[in-house]
This record gives sequence, C-alpha cells and structure tokens, in this order.
Amino acid sequence: EIVLTQSPGTLALSPGERATLSCRASQKVDTFYLVWYQQRPGQAPRLLIYGASNRATGIPDRFSGSGSGTDFTLTINSLEPEDFALYYCQHYGGSLWTFGQGTKVEIK
Amino acid sequence: QVQLQESGPGLVKPSQTLSLTCTVSGGSITSAPYFWGWIRQPAGKGLEWIGHINTTGTTNSSPSLKSRVTISVDTSKNQFSLKLSSVTAADTAVYYCAREVMWGYCSSNSCFGMDVWGHGTSVTVSS
Repeated sequence: EIVLTQSPGTLALSPGERATLSCRASQKVDTFYLVWYQQRPGQAPRLLIYGASNRATGIPDRFSGSGSGTDFTLTINSLEPEDFALYYCQHYGGSLWTFGQGTKVEIK
Repeated sequence: QVQLQESGPGLVKPSQTLSLTCTVSGGSITSAPYFWGWIRQPAGKGLEWIGHINTTGTTNSSPSLKSRVTISVDTSKNQFSLKLSSVTAADTAVYYCAREVMWGYCSSNSCFGMDVWGHGTSVTVSS
C-alpha cells in the first residue's frame, strides 16, 4: 500500500504570496492517479487537480499541479483569502484510495 | 447538478453496527460508470477512505476496515449505503459520501477523482 507524505504540515503565508505544497509517495506512482483537494473549515473537500496537473472545472488558474514519480507539488499563486484551508493529496492504485495527511495553509 | 446527501443515526453504541445511506439527487446513480464512495474524518484529523461500490455491485474497501465494512447500492432508490460493524470510539467521525470519477468517462467536473461530495454527517460512538 502506497503511503503519501505531505509537507510541510503547516504553511504560514500572507495573502498575495505563493504557496508550494509537497506530496511524496512511498513508491513511484502513475501521474494519472494523483489528485489534490482543498478543504475549508466545516466543509467537504473540493476536487482541485486530477492527473497530477489538470484543473477540475471551475478551479482558478492560480492553482497548478506538477510532478512525477514520487514527488508532486501543488502551487497556489498569489493566495486569496479563501485559499487559506487544508489541502490533501490522494492516490488511486490497486482499487484503493489513499490520502496524504494534509497541509494547512494559514494566514501569517 | 448531482447532489449527495448522507443520512443515518448520529449516535451509535459501541459494538453495534453503524448504518448510513447516501441519496443521489439531480441525476441517476446509473447514468455513468462511476464509483460511489465513503470517506470519514475524525475531528481535527485527516481523511480516510472507507470503500466504494459501482452500480454493477463491484466493491472495494480499505484493508484496515475491510472485515467490518459492507457497502451496497439500491438503484431503484438512487441510493448507496454503508454498514460498519463492531464500532468503537475510534469510529467516531464525520462520514462523507462522494462520487468517484474514473479515467475513461469524464463528468462535467473532472476526468478523475472524487468530484461531488455530500456535506457529511457526524457519527458519535458512545454508550
């Protein structure tokens, strides 16, 4: 079973800054099966990025995903107030879904 | 616009079975080859995938929960359900249902991933 490790645990930034979130897999994974979600307080998660780099419908272009192999990155350019939230990476393999433990982006 | 709504008891006694239902509205559960999944989140903690089912009855579940999980689908009611047996306090969490899109058939939102979620329902295991 693949383990996803996200870093940092918490990222303290100011609005307008760039956020760079990391997701590392315990073994090489296919980029097709790597997904990112955003979760705001008290809300269900929201699909942001699928296939490592494809934005879901309606997701602003300040969100971008990249990476391959074992290392993946979610970048948020010019943070907006509504972007301060939790972010999870996720992988699908062997008919099972696995989540990373999450990165919290908080206001500095 | 497809919407999902979880329902079920908010309080379950230890050793009993937790039963939840997810009702799909705004579209048919059989409209496309999606999977329909369950995810949970203990207070202040991360997301844990529980399992999923498609409308042909194929199910998969997390190895750590597999022995206690039963997921079923009722296409006539446009619903799918979760049963988790022998619950303990560690099963206390918010439980979400979600639609899972798989490569090969894109939804209007995405070509992969959990693109539609319910609001979640809080379940407490306590005597």
